[in-house]
Amino acid sequence: SYELTQPPSVSVSPGQTASITCSGDKLGDKYACWYQQKPGQSPVLVIYQDTERPSGIPERFSGSKSGNTATLTISGTPAMDEADYYCQAWDSSTVVFGGGTKLTVL
Amino acid sequence: QVQLQESGPRLVRPSETLSLTCAVSGYSISSGYYWGWIRQPPGKGPEWIGSIYHSGSTYCNPSLKSRVTISADTSKNQVSLKLSSVTAADTAVYYCARHQGCSSTACYAYNWFDSWGQGTLVTVSS
Repeated sequence: SYELTQPPSVSVSPGQTASITCSGDKLGDKYACWYQQKPGQSPVLVIYQDTERPSGIPERFSGSKSGNTATLTISGTPAMDEADYYCQAWDSSTVVFGGGTKLTVL
Repeated sequence: QVQLQESGPRLVRPSETLSLTCAVSGYSISSGYYWGWIRQPPGKGPEWIGSIYHSGSTYCNPSLKSRVTISADTSKNQVSLKLSSVTAADTAVYYCARHQGCSSTACYAYNWFDSWGQGTLVTVSS
């Protein structure tokens, strides 16, 4: 089965740029999206179709892809962005989620 | 603005069938979109269960397919999930969500979940 690999944790200082990666076989031929999930809350879509930002999502969130690695970048990270982040893709008619990355802002 | 609300028993006995309903408001499921079920075991990441179009067309996670039934009721504007022969491993928060990036007959390579319910914790225990 298809797998998406994310680093378990990423740390960033307040106001700095955080980058979270998501890698998968032939991910370059697919599309990735990203979700933010804070404790006790439902996931929130922050990036879709690799680079698109839904309405209402701050501009500090951006997505990119190079080769088989998608990256979620948060610029000027505020403390409120401390959360778990999950990537998601579609493979063989199946939705696949990455294992998640805990972003710590300290 | 679309809103989704999951409901159903919070405790299910092992070997029995888990049944959940997702009531959709602010949008008629007959107008389009697939509607998905996703679960998240405590402390773990999300796992997609399956998605359905109002016509009945479904996609399902191969790892769960043999135990999953997903249906849509346009008269009640809701979708439902049944998961049979449950074990403790099925304990999770169950979410429903609107599944974007799909037509009436197929999901495209780009698809995502743009609106989620609040989720409901279902515990499997005797």
